[in-house]
Amino acid sequence: AQSVTQPDIHITVSEGASLELRCNYSYGATPYLFWYVQSPGQGLQLLLKYFSGDTLVQGIKGFEAEFKRSQSSFNLRKPSVHWSDAAEYFCAVGPRGNEKLTFGTGTRLTIIP
Amino acid sequence: ETGVTQSPTHLIKTRGQQVTLRCSSQSGHNTVSWYQQALGQGPQFIFQYYREEENGRGNFPPRFSGLQFPNYSSELNVNALELDDSALYLCASSLEGLAGKGTDTQYFGPGTRLTVL
Repeated sequence: AQSVTQPDIHITVSEGASLELRCNYSYGATPYLFWYVQSPGQGLQLLLKYFSGDTLVQGIKGFEAEFKRSQSSFNLRKPSVHWSDAAEYFCAVGPRGNEKLTFGTGTRLTIIP
Repeated sequence: ETGVTQSPTHLIKTRGQQVTLRCSSQSGHNTVSWYQQALGQGPQFIFQYYREEENGRGNFPPRFSGLQFPNYSSELNVNALELDDSALYLCASSLEGLAGKGTDTQYFGPGTRLTVL
């Protein structure tokens, strides 16, 4: 069975500081991995995805994520956060990109001036 | 290109009632998935429809049912509503193509907020 763990429920970061959101997954084969962002009352927007190839993937809004098979992790990073990055972030895993996704419980990001 | 749209935006029902939620997939997409997102939780997969047939189902009871129409739009029906059905219901569309030449990503709509009293 596939599962995703996001250990941090809530993270507070100062504007301009760096950010790392953690994601650990459990999956029996090579996973498709995703990071989505959700602003209050909104749907999910795709930030980035990993299927194969280079383990460091670039996404929108200056985000990147690194796939580490040995650690079953897919952590999301941003070198310098902006106030507009405040949102809920979800990591997800699936057998293929357009099949059933299993999501983590999310990490809420708060940005302070 | 039109994105995924859902209606209605908000809905209030009472326990025991039935509800229908609607989703229009992104232009060119032929597959629709439905997810339930309870407050403070990540989305949970309900089911997926492809070519008007259910193509995978999560751990939800039969009172959750769906339809997909020839134009690839979709409905989610929930019978005998329970208080725990209160959630944001998200629809996602994608393209299932031949020989794996589909989209590798699901695109989500804004969701329908269902409140059961």
